[in-house]
Amino acid sequence: AQKITQTQPGMFVQEKEAVTLDCTYDTSDPSYGLFWYKQPSSGEMIFLIYQGSYDQQNATEGRYSLNFQKARKSANLVISASQLGDSAMYFCAMREGRGSGGSNYKLTFGKGTLLTVNP
Amino acid sequence: NAGVMQNPRHLVRRRGQEARLRCSPMKGHSHVYWYRQLPEEGLKFMVYLQKENIIDESGMPKERFSAEFPKEGPSILRIQQVVRGDSAAYFCASSPWGRDSHEQYFGPGTRLTVT
Repeated sequence: AQKITQTQPGMFVQEKEAVTLDCTYDTSDPSYGLFWYKQPSSGEMIFLIYQGSYDQQNATEGRYSLNFQKARKSANLVISASQLGDSAMYFCAMREGRGSGGSNYKLTFGKGTLLTVNP
Repeated sequence: NAGVMQNPRHLVRRRGQEARLRCSPMKGHSHVYWYRQLPEEGLKFMVYLQKENIIDESGMPKERFSAEFPKEGPSILRIQQVVRGDSAAYFCASSPWGRDSHEQYFGPGTRLTVT
């Protein structure tokens, strides 16, 4: 089974509108973390936002917020007031528990959503 | 504070040659992760290293691939006898030790093309 599922291969949004990118995850570990990364056409991976499984409140970072619904195992990214520069691939990722060595935080990524912001 | 450095940014190799990819983590970071991104795909974990130790290599192909993170110097991902299927972007990420070690900072990646 896929650990991270992003069901939207592509999304379009008008400039200045809000957009939600979906992410569902699968884990039996009670301790995990969820990440969103942005990959523009230049190729680098840019960290956007992090949510820990024990965090009580949804994470927010500027125009980015994470709609964390633990019971549904979803961690959707909300981008408010979209800008042309938001056009990029967006990846949801998860790290689970602790591996050997006490702190193995390897990430499992989804396949990504290509967001296009229209002027 | 310089970010994660990777070099070269682009590497072209003929089939059968060796590829060496280098990663210098952020200052103060002692954990290094390598990921591979095939075209149209998300990143896939390859290996996790701490200084002089391979902690988890469960994502590494069994043959031709090796990684090291020596006491001094950058982490190296080595691919011997490259084949066309090795063409991909290879990303290195580093994180600190301790409480905030879930944060991973990615380098710009090395784009490997095998001709």
